[in-house]
Formats: sequence, structure tokens, C-alpha cells
Amino acid sequence: AQKITQTQPGMFVQEKEAVTLDCTYDTSDPSYGLFWYKQPSSGEMIFLIYQGSYDQQNATEGRYSLNFQKARKSANLVISASQLGDSAMYFCAMREGKTSYDKVIFGPGTSLSVIP
Amino acid sequence: DSGVTQTPKHLITATGQRVTLRCSPRSGDLSVYWYQQSLDQGLQFLIQYYNGEERAKGNILERFSAQQFPDLHSELNLSSLELGDSALYFCASSVRASGGRDTQYFGPGTRLTVL
Repeated sequence: AQKITQTQPGMFVQEKEAVTLDCTYDTSDPSYGLFWYKQPSSGEMIFLIYQGSYDQQNATEGRYSLNFQKARKSANLVISASQLGDSAMYFCAMREGKTSYDKVIFGPGTSLSVIP
Repeated sequence: DSGVTQTPKHLITATGQRVTLRCSPRSGDLSVYWYQQSLDQGLQFLIQYYNGEERAKGNILERFSAQQFPDLHSELNLSSLELGDSALYFCASSVRASGGRDTQYFGPGTRLTVL
């Protein structure tokens, strides 16, 4: 069963506008962590932001914020004031807390293109 | 720069061959993870080592093996290579073995092409 769903295979946004990338997840574990990674065309995976299931506030890191809706099991990434360098693949990932090992499951990704 | 290094950056080889990919984790990180990224399968977790011991196995083929050495660097060995093994192989490292805010930082990847 798909544990991480990213329903937008491709997105376009105008430079300087905000964009929301969707992520829904499936887990029965009350303890989990959610991550977003960026993969530009050069290929490296860049960690952006983390949200823990028990965190009271939505995570923010500079222009990145996470719209965490626990009851809906969604963890959408919001990028404010998009820049041309934001064009990349974006992956949502989850780690479940009570497994005996530490496995991070990645979603299929969303390709974001920033238009000048 | 995440602090995780991987060599080589590119590798081109033939079917049936064996290759070794190398990873050095960030200073202070004890956990090393290997992932395979291909167009059809996405990003797949292969295996995790923590402080020299295998911690978790994911979708790793029997033709593949890995180890983590006392200096904490890790090697992923791929043998009897097939065309379908062509992919981007990532190594990631983290401080702990599991849980919490422990973030995995990824290396730049090794792009393997099997001809």
C-alpha cells in the first residue's frame, strides 16, 4: 500500500509567487516524522524541513513551511516567494517511530517549475 | 554540501560485472543508508548500517551487499549487474540509529550505467 502520496506530478509557479506541494501519508503509528527533500537537476538530495507528529507548531525553515494537518494526514510544503532556483523535484518522506528499524519511505515526488 | 561524500560520481560498466560504491558519512554520524533511485521505481531504501552493524534491510537484491567499516565509511557492492541496475545510488547518513528528528543527509549520489 502506498504510504506517501504526492498527487501533483508536475507544478508550475510564477516567480515570486507562493506554491503549495501536497503530501498525504498513511500510518497507524502515533509517532512519526515527516521530511521534505529537494532534488535539483544536478541530482543531489537536499533536506528542507522536518515535522514531528507530536510537534505542536508547523515547522518553518526560511521560505519553507509545512502545513501539517494531522487529522487529515497531510503535510503540505509551502514555498513562499518562489525563485528560479526552486525548480526541482520535491519529495515528501516519512519515518514511522515504533518500527524496529529506521526506514524512511519516500513519495513519488512533484516536479516544480518556476516561470520567470 | 551535506558533508556526505560518495565515489565515484559516475560509473559505466557492462552486464555481468561487479562494482563497488563508496560512501563516507558526515563527521559524527554513525548511521549509513543506501538508496537506489530509478525512473520506474522511484527512491527505494536498500539497507542501513549503524556503527558497523546491519540495522535494516529494504528492497535489496541478493546480488547486492554492503558493509560499514570501523572508520564508519560504507561500501555497496553490486554484482552480476543487469541493465535494470542502472540507477542513481545514494548514500545518506544520520547521527542515530532511528527515530525523532534524526535527519538523513544525502550524498551527491553515484550514477551507475550498465551497458
